Parts: sequence; C-alpha cells; structure tokens
Amino acid sequence: DAGITQSPRHKVTETGTPVTLRCHQTENHRYMYWYRQDPGHGLRLIHYSYGVKDTDKGEVSDGYSVSRSKTEDFLLTLESATSSQTSVYFCAISDYSDYEQYFGPGTRLTVT
Amino acid sequence: GDSVTQMEGPVTLSEEAFLTINCTYTATGYPSLFWYVQYPGEGLQLLLKATKADDKGSNKGFEATYRKETTSFHLEKGSVQVSDSAVYFCALGGGGADGLTFGKGTHLIIQP
Repeated sequence: DAGITQSPRHKVTETGTPVTLRCHQTENHRYMYWYRQDPGHGLRLIHYSYGVKDTDKGEVSDGYSVSRSKTEDFLLTLESATSSQTSVYFCAISDYSDYEQYFGPGTRLTVT
Repeated sequence: GDSVTQMEGPVTLSEEAFLTINCTYTATGYPSLFWYVQYPGEGLQLLLKATKADDKGSNKGFEATYRKETTSFHLEKGSVQVSDSAVYFCALGGGGADGLTFGKGTHLIIQP
C-alpha cells in the first residue's frame, strides 16, 4: 500500500470555524490531490499540487485553500466552514509517469 | 469537458453470478482508464487500469477492456463472491496534473 496518511480521520466542527486537514505521504510523489466524496456525486477534485508551492484549483475549489511547503505534506483549509462542506475528504498522490493515483483513508468532516 | 457515466445501482447479485458494470466515457485525446474499488469505511484502491485502446486490464478475477470505438470500459467478473461487495468507480485520466475524472460509483451487493 502507498504510504499516505490523513489527519484527523474524523472531525466535527461548527459553522464559521476554520478547519485544516492534513495529508502526509512517504512515497516522494510529485503530485498530490484533494477530493471530496458526496452521495450522488462520486469524487470531485478540490485542489491539486504539482510540486512544492505549486498548486491549482479543481472543479469545486470555492471555500477551500491549500498549501504545500514540503513534498510530503499537502494541507487543505476551510477558512470558514459551512454545512455544505460536510463530506468525506480524500487525499491522493501520483508520480505522473504511471498516471494512476493512490488514495489515503479519508477524513470524515461534519459541520454543524 | 471529460465525463464518465456508470450505473449507480445498487446492483444486487447472488454469489457465483456473472458481473458486468457498464462504464462509458467522453474525453478529448487518448485518456487512460481505471477501475477503483472502495470497501466500507476505506479509501479507494486501484483495481485495474488500461492505458491505450484494446488494452485489457485485469486483477483479482476482474477484467475490463478499453474500447475506443464504443468509448467504453466495462468491468466484468465471471463468478462474484460476498467479499466483492463494495462501491466500484470508473475513472479516466488524461495524464496531466489535474487529477482523474470519476463516475458516480456503482454499489455492488453480493448475497450468499
């Protein structure tokens, strides 16, 4: 299994509070991704990174920001959480040459 | 833009039945195609892949063939087991940095 961890695994927070989710990899892969999974929508890309300090927006980036200061860490921040951001968040990594992505175990976030 | 369409289910089968989960796609260029599996409470695991037309991906008794003429990548297994119960996602990737495009997932239930 690819070495990907996500923290926390579960979080409950209140509307309007900031939240940061962490993805950590030990594979030294260049590309990292944040997805959200919601019933009826499959997985949707939030943001991605193609190198240290190089990030870009995905399909559903509004309300989210990311940072990548080291190859192994990719942070997802909800500046002011809303109930519509209740979801399961997955981090994924890729070394590009093989195209496929490897996923972390997910973080279940509930915004009350 | 790119898109993936698959039956959402749930698909309920008896143990040892033949499985087909349909997947069709729309994409520019020549994408790579993937099937991922998600067991309850876990992240997505790569099941199989195909990177060019007429390629057949296979793993754990599952197979899928990249059909460019019908833009399809149907997942098949000759004899399913209870342990195959999971959600299956079809996905495509253009090989770029901006992630994979997923279908909405098919929930498969295998009854003993």
